[in-house]
Amino acid sequence: SQKIEQNSEALNIQEGKTATLTCNYTNYSPAYLQWYRQDPGRGPVFLLLIRENEKEKRKERLKVTFDTTLKQSLFHITASQPADSATYLCALDDSNSGYALNFGKGTSLLVTP
Amino acid sequence: SAVISQKPSRDICQRGTSLTIQCQVDSQVTMMFWYRQQPGQSLTLIATANQGSEATYESGFVIDKFPISRPNLTFSTLTVSNMSPEDSSIYLCSARGGADNSPLHFGNGTRLTVT
Repeated sequence: SQKIEQNSEALNIQEGKTATLTCNYTNYSPAYLQWYRQDPGRGPVFLLLIRENEKEKRKERLKVTFDTTLKQSLFHITASQPADSATYLCALDDSNSGYALNFGKGTSLLVTP
Repeated sequence: SAVISQKPSRDICQRGTSLTIQCQVDSQVTMMFWYRQQPGQSLTLIATANQGSEATYESGFVIDKFPISRPNLTFSTLTVSNMSPEDSSIYLCSARGGADNSPLHFGNGTRLTVT
């Protein structure tokens, strides 16, 4: 069955450091992968999309890599700030459900001053 | 990007009753979906809301329990019927505007507690 796995343990880092979150998947052949941010009491918010033929994508302090051989994506936040504290979700297209997405459980990030 | 309004934002309901959740999008969208998110868990797709026809349900979800309407391109409802405490969860409406690689936009969810 299709699986998306993200670090289950919360990630605590100090302000100014780089946070790296991992997303591994099995039994997918995704054309693209997306990352979302979710704050408590809110719906997920789209951050970045990376296609299968792209190795890396950047947006301001965010960087995403996509290795289809390893079946893994890494999500980096450089110069992290307390405002970056949230849960980050990785998502892949669900080939069985039209245009819906399947989501990982998410990794909780806490950035402390 | 689409803005999605969902209501109610939360509710506490008694076992055996039903609750209808409304989802309004500020622009016409191609696809609308309903997800469920239980504490500490990932989002689980309930169904795709199809405009003008019956919703497409995922394995484990049935129309009698979760009837869905989508009368036009900007509005959908999800009803949680004959509720039990196991239905306590956050229900999220989402929409996708165009291409199949476009992002999903989400409402802020409905936090449902069944007593």
